[in-house]
Amino acid sequence: GAVVSQHPSWVICKSGTSVKIECRSLDFQATTMFWYRQFPKQSLMLMATSNEGSKATYEQGVEKDKFLINHASLTLSTLTVTSAHPEDSSFYICSARTGRTDTQYFGPGTRLTVL
Amino acid sequence: GNSVTQMEGPVTLSEEAFLTINCTYTATGYPSLFWYVQYPGEGLQLLLKATKADDKGSNKGFEATYRKETTSFHLEKGSVQVSDSAVYFCALSDLRRDDKIIFGKGTRLHILP
Repeated sequence: GAVVSQHPSWVICKSGTSVKIECRSLDFQATTMFWYRQFPKQSLMLMATSNEGSKATYEQGVEKDKFLINHASLTLSTLTVTSAHPEDSSFYICSARTGRTDTQYFGPGTRLTVL
Repeated sequence: GNSVTQMEGPVTLSEEAFLTINCTYTATGYPSLFWYVQYPGEGLQLLLKATKADDKGSNKGFEATYRKETTSFHLEKGSVQVSDSAVYFCALSDLRRDDKIIFGKGTRLHILP
């Protein structure tokens, strides 16, 4: 139980294009989803927190107009990287939880490469 | 603010060796403590957790004890396997404070056959 999937697992795009990453909770209802960014050999950096049906809360320094987050249902959240540039290349990981617990379930991650 | 410090890697051991990865934390409240594992190319998996002082989390032969007096949560395993090669993250979370998980920088573990 408590499986979180992400799609795609990897994506390569040209500079200036937009990319959408999906995060799904497969066997539970995710009232809250989190989006992280991980640079090579570094820890996870929280980008934003989203509650179903509400606007996402972004961490300081994260551009909300560049990283659009939608959490329209209890099983799906999407992260759209708009007008991607090479510096946006990274490993993006989502996590989800049900209710207000301290346990988050993580997706397998999406590797984004912007050429 | 809350923070987590863990030993830098990489750590290289031979198979069947004893493993310790040190982790200490700073927190103003009463956080839960976690160890997550990340295998190559994958996301994080919860390895074990402890929610209060003196609790011991354990899973797959790994153990960690929540030590409030030393603010530590060291990860141990008596006999490592090649399949344990991964990056290990110590983390804390305090829901009384906010929804965030604070991660350490991660320790890369290599197990040699």
